[in-house]
Amino acid sequence: DAKTTQPPSMDCAEGRAANLPCNHSTISGNEYVYWYRQIHSQGPQYIIHGLKNNETNEMASLIITEDRKSSTLILPHATLRDTAVYYCIVRNLNAGGTSYGKLTFGQGTILTVHP
Amino acid sequence: KAGVTQTPRYLIKTRGQQVTLSCSPISGHRSVSWYQQTPGQGLQFLFEYFSETQRNKGNFPGRFSGRQFSNSRSEMNVSTLELGDSALYLCASSSVTGGGKHEQFFGPGTRLTVL
Repeated sequence: DAKTTQPPSMDCAEGRAANLPCNHSTISGNEYVYWYRQIHSQGPQYIIHGLKNNETNEMASLIITEDRKSSTLILPHATLRDTAVYYCIVRNLNAGGTSYGKLTFGQGTILTVHP
Repeated sequence: KAGVTQTPRYLIKTRGQQVTLSCSPISGHRSVSWYQQTPGQGLQFLFEYFSETQRNKGNFPGRFSGRQFSNSRSEMNVSTLELGDSALYLCASSSVTGGGKHEQFFGPGTRLTVL
């Protein structure tokens, strides 16, 4: 799986959009970009994933650049409960492969949402 | 639907002892993965089981082992405990089907302290 690079920490004001960048310049064509977050003392939680098109769900939006070498997770209206470590992960979902359950976590970005 | 459950939640052992941790996946999920989380190394993949077979293994010594039962429940065992094995051990389950999000659902973890 490709390696990702994220800033170690970011701050955001409550109610504002939080934009978390991720660099994955060595991503290959069949690798997906996944985002998870881990709130203190809890297990990681899936947020969103995408291959090359922008994606949106009830939690966030994912913007992937055209060359797929970087992406941005957007929390449109951050709340205090969004304070967490956010992980950007690149995964190969080749059916029948051996990496279904393996997530390779980096250090992630500590997002702190301030009142 | 009940989430991933892990038992026990907290455990204190001494060096040289062995420990068994248990994970019950979400009903219908057949893939179970284990992760170790420490402040120094972050989240690291241990192994993944699917249909009672180990499909993937991380870079951990042979003291770390696991198994999966026919009902998909999984256990991991650590023998001859070392101080460095103190960590949060997380279990994740996934519904492995063609297509879909391949989302990993994490349990709350077992906090192991080795004295």
